[in-house]
Amino acid sequence: DIRVTQSPSSLSASVGDRITITCRASQGVTTYVAWFQQKPGTAPQALIFAASSLQSGVPSRFSGSGYGTEFSLTINSLQPEDFAIYYCQQYDTYPYTFGQGTRLE
Amino acid sequence: QVQLVQSGPEVKRPGASVTVSCKTSGYTFSNYGMSWVRQAPGQGLEWLGWISAYDGKTDYAQSLRDRITMTTDRSTSTVFLELRSLRPDDTATYYCARAHDSRFWGQGTMVIVSS
Repeated sequence: DIRVTQSPSSLSASVGDRITITCRASQGVTTYVAWFQQKPGTAPQALIFAASSLQSGVPSRFSGSGYGTEFSLTINSLQPEDFAIYYCQQYDTYPYTFGQGTRLE
Repeated sequence: QVQLVQSGPEVKRPGASVTVSCKTSGYTFSNYGMSWVRQAPGQGLEWLGWISAYDGKTDYAQSLRDRITMTTDRSTSTVFLELRSLRPDDTATYYCARAHDSRFWGQGTMVIVSS
């Protein structure tokens, strides 16, 4: 199975900050990486697919980049509603695997 | 717009089976498969498997392969997840997500396994 290592596991930030979360895959997954945001009691919501494509309706302060084994999610100018848990997932090879999550607080 | 609407919460005894449904709308059903993901209370996301809505081909997580079945009903554009021989550690919220990039998710179905 492809291991996906996400870091950091938690991150303390303030409104207006710029933050970056990274995911590392144990083997190459080209650009088959997605990023999700999850708030308490709700389903995950897609932010980024294909490593860098912004899901419709997602604010442009969210961006993704990477190829192969190294990927990142950046949020520019944090807003109060951005404080949540973030997950990455590789969907190149079964079983699709998730990172452990990053709690942004 | 794309919508995935899941069935309601379930409470089951250990050893029982549960079936969760995911009714889709807003896109051509047979053009996309469906992944299933679960999340135990306070834990991360676990991918359970995938089914093609075109030909019913499946791929399941190794840890559940002997207890899980995914099916589709093209007449109602609905996908089903059956989990058998339930254990307390199957207690989780179960999500469907349109494959493969999971851009669209169902609202989740809580399944509680308790004696």
